[in-house]
Amino acid sequence: QQPVQSPQAVILREGEDAVINCSSSKALYSVHWYRQKHGEAPVFLMILLKGGEQMRHEKISASFNEKKQQSSLYLTASQLSYSGTYFCGTETSGTYKYIFGTGTRLKVLA
Amino acid sequence: DGGITQSPKYLFRKEGQNVTLSCEQNLNHDAMYWYRQDPGQGLRLIYYSQIVNDFQKGDIAEGYSVSREKKESFPLTVTSAQKNPTAFYLCAASVGGSPLDTQYFGPGTRLTVL
Repeated sequence: QQPVQSPQAVILREGEDAVINCSSSKALYSVHWYRQKHGEAPVFLMILLKGGEQMRHEKISASFNEKKQQSSLYLTASQLSYSGTYFCGTETSGTYKYIFGTGTRLKVLA
Repeated sequence: DGGITQSPKYLFRKEGQNVTLSCEQNLNHDAMYWYRQDPGQGLRLIYYSQIVNDFQKGDIAEGYSVSREKKESFPLTVTSAQKNPTAFYLCAASVGGSPLDTQYFGPGTRLTVL
């Protein structure tokens, strides 16, 4: 079952904050976050593990809520370079198979 | 310069023809993956391989075939049985098949079936 991301799309002004959520109906072992620019390959941002700490990549951080089987990506003081589509990639315990979320399109305006 | 190469970047084929997409990596990673991406949608797993000479079906394997004869190569064949093959195809590799491993993606091949 594909994880559901919300919102589907968001438009920000430079300097504003945003939160992207990734929810799964299955128990998660790990969550990866990727950003994809139009027509390019996804680029890894960070990984969160079950029971692990909140991670950070520059001004982007993420958390993992085990009770809700949800991960959230926090973009603080957004920059123009943050524009793109964000995907979460989830792995349920023991499957060694990644399932990517539906994606969230983020556009940062000057 | 280490990485993943996919060729060609754009591919056009006539309906009913099989076509093979190339994926090569010089990262010395054990695990390799093929994903399909349709406009406005996420990545869907077609096949994955955790080791040479072994591979498993992903969520949408019907109409596709793969081989993993060498560690660095994981070609994907889109057969005529695939009902809607036009899509953006991404190949990825990770050190192993562990959930701790980052996936590194190639630049992708955009396949259009006419």
